[in-house]
Amino acid sequence: GAGVSQSPRYKVAKRGQDVALRCDPISGHVSLFWYQQALGQGPEFLTYFQNEAQLDKSGLPSDRFFAERPEGSVSTLKIQRTQQEDSAVYLCASSLAVRGPLKTQYFGPGTRLLVL
Amino acid sequence: AQSVTQLDSHVSVSEGTPVLLRCNYSSSYSPSLFWYVQHPNKGLQLLLKYTSAATLVKGINGFEAEFKKSETSFHLTKPSAHMSDAAEYFCVVSDGDFGNEKLTFGTGTRLTIIP
Repeated sequence: GAGVSQSPRYKVAKRGQDVALRCDPISGHVSLFWYQQALGQGPEFLTYFQNEAQLDKSGLPSDRFFAERPEGSVSTLKIQRTQQEDSAVYLCASSLAVRGPLKTQYFGPGTRLLVL
Repeated sequence: AQSVTQLDSHVSVSEGTPVLLRCNYSSSYSPSLFWYVQHPNKGLQLLLKYTSAATLVKGINGFEAEFKKSETSFHLTKPSAHMSDAAEYFCVVSDGDFGNEKLTFGTGTRLTIIP
């Protein structure tokens, strides 16, 4: 079946521009996560949704970062007034259940953001 | 708070020889532990997971890992390396069923296979 998809795969933005990154989770998956992976580093947690509710946004680095999942399916990560330090790969993951063995997270291919 | 430490940033082995990638974890609760692999320009793929069942966990492509609570370790092994195993490997922890759902990644181990 279809996995997690993300678009665009690559995005080049000028410093100060706003960007929107989209994530389509696996159909029926309750939980959705966003992670940021800087070059040469492991992914770091940004935010977590259970259905449409954003339950944890403790990893968002500043108030320029905003995420939503209005209908409990597709999610959008928005970065306002992009800065060079925002350059990274943004990964989306989804899981079928909140807890238990079905909470395994499945990752999309990521969106590589380059801010010039 | 949960964390993982991957003890080697880079491991090189010859094709056909054993692979050992080391990971130590710290968790306040009964943890779930994972190994993910990331091939160049590809997404993260789950290799295996430990969720409080058997301590020896078998994964895909011949990999396995053993959960040792006394040593707080979750090392990844494979008896015989293949060229296609060359990739970045991440040890990952999640705080049990009643803690944070988020994953905490290690800094990664780059595995190189020598022909």
